[in-house]
Amino acid sequence: AQSVTQLGSHVSVSEGALVLLRCNYSSSVPPYLFWYVQYPNQGLQLLLKYTSAATLVKGINGFEAEFKKSETSFHLTKPSAHMSDAAEYFCAVSDPGNTPLVFGKGTRLSVIA
Amino acid sequence: GAVVSQHPSRVICKSGTSVKIECRSLDFQATTMFWYRQFPKQSLMLMATSNEGSKATYEQGVEKDKFLINHASLTLSTLTVTSAHPEDSSFYICSAKLPGAGTEAFFGQGTRLTVV
Repeated sequence: AQSVTQLGSHVSVSEGALVLLRCNYSSSVPPYLFWYVQYPNQGLQLLLKYTSAATLVKGINGFEAEFKKSETSFHLTKPSAHMSDAAEYFCAVSDPGNTPLVFGKGTRLSVIA
Repeated sequence: GAVVSQHPSRVICKSGTSVKIECRSLDFQATTMFWYRQFPKQSLMLMATSNEGSKATYEQGVEKDKFLINHASLTLSTLTVTSAHPEDSSFYICSAKLPGAGTEAFFGQGTRLTVV
């Protein structure tokens, strides 16, 4: 069964600092990996996705993630945090096709002025 | 991107009553939709997979008689919480994928259900 593990339930960074949110996956087949962001009482918005093309994936709002098969990782980064980045971030994995996403437990990002 | 609309965004109901939540794919046809439940400060837990024209597939531990799912058309799935109790209070989110392999899921805005 596929799964993802997000290291750190809460990450706090200063405005302008590097954001690094960690995600490791477990999959018996080449995975499809996603990062989503959730603001309070809202649905999820896709930040970026990996679907076996380029290993470095660029997403919206300046976020990017690198797929590293040797480390089974798909960490999310942003060079400079903005106050508006404060939210809950979920890493997810999926099989190809019309199958549900399996989510990690989420990481709450706080940005300090 | 594709749009999934969920309604209502918030609902308060009395214990023992039923509540229906609608999930619509506005600009694509979704043969399958997924229903998740999210407790405060927790992740999304898959409740069931809704299949157009057939019975939903429920995850282990989800009461199918309490959480009735109907997927009568290619653009609408509904989740009915029957005989609601306070422990059913939660955030419910639906999602759907575009046809094709490896595509991301698009999510509704979520429904905050409070049972009093």
